[in-house]
Amino acid sequence: GAVVSQHPSWVICKSGTSVKIECRSLDFQATTMFWYRQFPKQSLMLMATSNEGSKATYEQGVEKDKFLINHASLTLSTLTVTSAHPEDSSFYICSCTSGSIRYEQYFGPGTRLTVT
Amino acid sequence: ILNVEQSPQSLHVQEGDSTNFTCSFPSSNFYALHWYRWETAKSPEALFVMTLNGDEKKKGRISATLNTKEGYSYLYIKGSQPEDSATYLCAFLNYGGSQGNLIFGKGTKLSVKP
Repeated sequence: GAVVSQHPSWVICKSGTSVKIECRSLDFQATTMFWYRQFPKQSLMLMATSNEGSKATYEQGVEKDKFLINHASLTLSTLTVTSAHPEDSSFYICSCTSGSIRYEQYFGPGTRLTVT
Repeated sequence: ILNVEQSPQSLHVQEGDSTNFTCSFPSSNFYALHWYRWETAKSPEALFVMTLNGDEKKKGRISATLNTKEGYSYLYIKGSQPEDSATYLCAFLNYGGSQGNLIFGKGTKLSVKP
């Protein structure tokens, strides 16, 4: 299967600072990348969908000015959590797809963000 | 609100046991059902994408069935091995959903004791 990397795998930051998370598709071109968030004992919840070269589409309840997504190339998308607060502490995971929505999404290993 | 339920939440079995778990999803506007296997500290790994009612898919000792009319899918593992220990996620995609808007269940955490 396709390989997706995510960096960093974990990060601790202070409240009010910004954190950037990178998602890379290593061996295929990802036309679409997705960002999910998972709180403890909850499901993976889609935050936003981004297509290369376009603005991301955010799910209801996700603040686009707080969670900045850039998908500048077919192999890289970044999620920046701006002015992070403790309630933003969560597990963030990206996935990529190169074709039809029927196809599998290939996931990165995720990033554990802790805001102190 | 579309909801995907998985049961049981967790499962402990002995090596060699066969096991199965359930994913329930809305039966209307069905498009696809995905199963993923997620080991700790690794990426979720796609197991199956199922689209047709009555579909059965198999990969090694793992198989899955799909009933779109009643809104459920079963995942079976035959002769469980310790390396099968993982969280198994299912995700539903409805016909009216935007591309890739998978709705995930909370997962079934399987532990296989040697």
